[in-house]
Amino acid sequence: GAVVSQHPSRVICKSGTSVKIECRSLDFQATTMFWYRQFPKQSLMLMATSNEGSKATYEQGVEKDKFLINHASLTLSTLTVTSAHPEDSSFYICSARWADQETQYFGPGTRLLVL
Amino acid sequence: GNSVTQMEGPVTLSEEAFLTINCTYTATGYPSLFWYVQYPGEGLQLLLKATKADDKGSNKGFEATYRKETTSFHLEKGSVQVSDSAVYFCALTVRSDKIIFGKGTRLHILP
Repeated sequence: GAVVSQHPSRVICKSGTSVKIECRSLDFQATTMFWYRQFPKQSLMLMATSNEGSKATYEQGVEKDKFLINHASLTLSTLTVTSAHPEDSSFYICSARWADQETQYFGPGTRLLVL
Repeated sequence: GNSVTQMEGPVTLSEEAFLTINCTYTATGYPSLFWYVQYPGEGLQLLLKATKADDKGSNKGFEATYRKETTSFHLEKGSVQVSDSAVYFCALTVRSDKIIFGKGTRLHILP
């Protein structure tokens, strides 16, 4: 099946710093990638949708200047949490799909802890 | 709007018991339906899917049938194992739009 990786798997940072999370599709070209946030024992909350070469589309209530998304190639999307604060601590998961396929393939997630 | 409702957990069963996790949906148009599984500390894995009415998705002993008349997609397994302990998410998408997830059902299997 299609494989999606994320790096890092876990990151701890100080408040006020920026953190970049990478999402890669390893064996297919991802025309669309999605970024989700998951709070403990809750479902996934879609943050934004990014199409290769285009600006990301953010969901209502998600600050685009806070969560910078870049999808510069068909195999890589990055999420940068700028000026991180403790309330940004969460589990961030990306997913990817190709063309208009309905199935999304999910990465293993990145656990962010902001001190 | 589109939505997914699944039974609240946690669900606790003994090994080899029969499992049912209920899922119903509301959607405009003709959705595709999915079950995803999340093991502790990991991302989501696609467990099975069905794209049209009466389709049955199956994988690893799990099954779910797309029932348009009852707008349901219940997950079943005849004999669960300890390794099936995880959180299960029912989800739908319509015309390759964003995925709508249920809230998830936590499953504990006791040896």
